[in-house]
Amino acid sequence: DAGVTQSPTHLIKTRGQHVTLRCSPISGHKSVSWYQQVLGQGPQFIFQYYEKEERGRGNFPDRFSARQFPNYSSELNVNALLLGDSALYLCASSWGQGAGGYTFGSGTRLTVV
Amino acid sequence: QQQVKQSPQSLIVQKGGISIINCAYENTAFDYFPWYQQFPGKGPALLIAIRPDVSEKKEGRFTISFNKSAKQFSLHIMDSQPGDSATYFCAATATYGGSQGNLIFGKGTKLSVKP
Repeated sequence: DAGVTQSPTHLIKTRGQHVTLRCSPISGHKSVSWYQQVLGQGPQFIFQYYEKEERGRGNFPDRFSARQFPNYSSELNVNALLLGDSALYLCASSWGQGAGGYTFGSGTRLTVV
Repeated sequence: QQQVKQSPQSLIVQKGGISIINCAYENTAFDYFPWYQQFPGKGPALLIAIRPDVSEKKEGRFTISFNKSAKQFSLHIMDSQPGDSATYFCAATATYGGSQGNLIFGKGTKLSVKP
């Protein structure tokens, strides 16, 4: 079975640009969460979506947005990129809304120059 | 403020030894405590998790010890192997209420197991 797949794996963007990151959850999983992991730190929660509705939002500015599609895949959008947005962006999926049993993808490495 | 404090930041252990990583939390609403293992270039992988109704959980060489009154939990890796060299993260969340899905991670422990 395929795990959580994220695309692209690496991305380089310029300050001020916009970026879209994509995530396909494990088949049957209805919940998707996004995390930001800065080098040397633990992942930090950005969003959770369950059944296509936003169910949680972390302490991130409005430049960050996300959505979940009818097939449960998800997109994370970041506008007006800052140097500080450089990080590994992780997607995690689970069959239910609770955080138990979350499976993470390998992430998208975003570098803002 | 919701926090999970993890120590040590790094750990060097000889092959066959015991690796011990500690975490402490503040929010008494937390009811799910997982440990994740992360290799370079990969996402975190769930190792083992515990809920506060038990004081210990063992899976193979990995054991979680949980102390509800002290609000502390720890990961023990028995017979540590070079393949265990990775970064380990503790995490916590409340699986009921508004914070469902919001895993709060510690800052990580980089484990090196020397042959």
